[in-house]
Amino acid sequence: NAGVTQTPKFQVLKTGQSMTLQCAQDMNHEYMSWYRQDPGMGLRLIHYSVGAGITDQGEVPNGYNVSRSTTEDFPLRLLSAAPSQTSVYFCASSYSTGGVFGGYTFGSGTRLTVV
Amino acid sequence: AQSVTQLGSHVSVSEGALVLLRCNYSSSVPPYLFWYVQYPNQGLQLLLKYTTGATLVKGINGFEAEFKKSETSFHLTKPSAHMSDAAEYFCAVSEGQAGTALIFGKGTTLSVSS
Repeated sequence: NAGVTQTPKFQVLKTGQSMTLQCAQDMNHEYMSWYRQDPGMGLRLIHYSVGAGITDQGEVPNGYNVSRSTTEDFPLRLLSAAPSQTSVYFCASSYSTGGVFGGYTFGSGTRLTVV
Repeated sequence: AQSVTQLGSHVSVSEGALVLLRCNYSSSVPPYLFWYVQYPNQGLQLLLKYTTGATLVKGINGFEAEFKKSETSFHLTKPSAHMSDAAEYFCAVSEGQAGTALIFGKGTTLSVSS
């Protein structure tokens, strides 16, 4: 059981370039989220999804797009990379049982540097 | 919007001493509360969670936390620290539709000395 898989693990982009961070889970979880982690800031929510076809913005959505066409995949798109988007990005998935939220399982992260 | 405050960005204890990491939250509705641990260059691992029921929650590695609604707190404790407990700890509260996304505190780094 792979859990939550993020690719790539490392990426260097030039300012203005676009790219997609991939996230896939094989646990049939309905909920998925993207976070960015910066020193001293904790993890900040970028976007989240409560099911295929349904997404919503988090705390810091500007500069990022998401879509959820399948239960398994939740890619994060950087439209025009900026140095301020240099960060470690985590994808996570979770479930709900009997209306009780299970808590997220996290991927191992993508370390992105924008130069 | 809900928020989480972790008191103390860095906590240092001696091996065998009590570990106490503080977390306060703001929420207008009963929250779901979580503690995660992150070891260097790794992802986040769930330590424990409070959803409903018993307010004293036991987690992995000997950690526990108590939900105190009157104090809006969810402090993490461990009776006796071990060197392997050195890591960064994050408190989180649920947010969004049906409590489905997490809002995190800024984290507390725990150092354990021998």
